[in-house]
Amino acid sequence: GENVEQHPSTLSVQEGDSAVIKCTYSDSASNYFPWYKQELGKRPQLIIDIRSNVGEKKDQRIAVTLNKTAKHFSLHITETQPEDSAVYFCAATHTGSARQLTFGSGTQLTVLP
Amino acid sequence: DGGITQSPKYLFRKEGQNVTLSCEQNLNHDAMYWYRQDPGQGLRLIYYSQIVNDFQKGDIAEGYSVSREKKESFPLTVTSAQKNPTAFYLCASSMGGWITEAFFGQGTRLTVV
Repeated sequence: GENVEQHPSTLSVQEGDSAVIKCTYSDSASNYFPWYKQELGKRPQLIIDIRSNVGEKKDQRIAVTLNKTAKHFSLHITETQPEDSAVYFCAATHTGSARQLTFGSGTQLTVLP
Repeated sequence: DGGITQSPKYLFRKEGQNVTLSCEQNLNHDAMYWYRQDPGQGLRLIYYSQIVNDFQKGDIAEGYSVSREKKESFPLTVTSAQKNPTAFYLCASSMGGWITEAFFGQGTRLTVV
């Protein structure tokens, strides 16, 4: 089955700096890679996703890159703000998989004012 | 802020007792999932169901049971056989098939006392 590893487990950045979170996956059949944000005490919510037919996707201050050959993908947050502080989870699956998503272990991002 | 609802938000159980966590969705989603969240371990899949009256074990199914008698409902029972049940439980749903975005409930925090 799929195995997803996520690093780092904690990340602190100064407000305005960039943050990068990296994930690797094991199943070469995986073709869908979402990122979820979970604020304290709240449910995880999808913030961005990427499919294997593209290498990069941007949405305002967040971007995701995918390297299929190396089987890793990364979340990039630019111009960080205090409201970006949360736990971020990466995940992987292949579309049509009955199991849905395999999640990474999460990254606690803290943006320091 | 709705679509998928978990209840209760907090639940206390005495050792040796079974307890059932509720998950209801009105999104007309075919697929539903139960995850367990522990600090530093991400989201681990307990059970999943792609269709009514059918469900499969995930990675950590021991000590848990589910039913899927209605499309809208996917209750999880934590049995006395679960050795370490104290955790945060998240229910999710998705369209299934080639649509892979998962929508989460707000979670139930179960504490064994």
